[in-house]
Amino acid sequence: EAGVAQSPRYKIIEKRQSVAFWCNPISGHATLYWYQQILGQGPKLLIQFQNNGVVDDSQLPKDRFSAERLKGVDSTLKIQPAKLEDSAVYLCASSSARPTITDTQYFGPGTRLTVL
Amino acid sequence: RKEVEQDPGPFNVPEGATVAFNCTYSNSASQSFFWYRQDCRKEPKLLMSVYSSGNEDGRFTAQLNRASQYISLLIRDSKLSDSATYLCVVNKGYSTLTFGKGTMLLVSP
Repeated sequence: EAGVAQSPRYKIIEKRQSVAFWCNPISGHATLYWYQQILGQGPKLLIQFQNNGVVDDSQLPKDRFSAERLKGVDSTLKIQPAKLEDSAVYLCASSSARPTITDTQYFGPGTRLTVL
Repeated sequence: RKEVEQDPGPFNVPEGATVAFNCTYSNSASQSFFWYRQDCRKEPKLLMSVYSSGNEDGRFTAQLNRASQYISLLIRDSKLSDSATYLCVVNKGYSTLTFGKGTMLLVSP
């Protein structure tokens, strides 16, 4: 079974530029998550989708970050404009069609963003 | 108080040692608990779920104390391959996970 796919794996941009990350979840997984992991910290949830609807985006900096999952499958996370503090690994995860409190989330390899 | 707090680490232990990681959580309404493992520059992967009765998987034992809001992970007979960061994770509901900062384990020959 294919895992969660993410691209690009690495991205270097200058501050105030824009960047977009792509994620394709495990086939059949209805729930998709975007996390930000800053060096030395645990992952922090940015946004959670159930199919193409947003379940939780309370920690998403909406003035600069946006995410969409238009067809309920793959997803794009965008940062515009980027700040130095956005340097982090952006992890995408997915879980089963009917998530429960014990549901396992499967993570992609992440995109490592460096903002100069 | 942070939602999930872990021992700061790193823990440096020799092969064969027993090591224990501790974690506390602040939200008494939390419903499920996990330990994830993250290798250097890799994604987190589920190590084990944590149940109130305690559970064991080979050399790994996890315990949950809901009254004290405390979670632990015990690794016996440490292997070099156990070197990683161990993340304590709490589910507040509807599969929303909150991760601790992680505790790094370094097992040396």
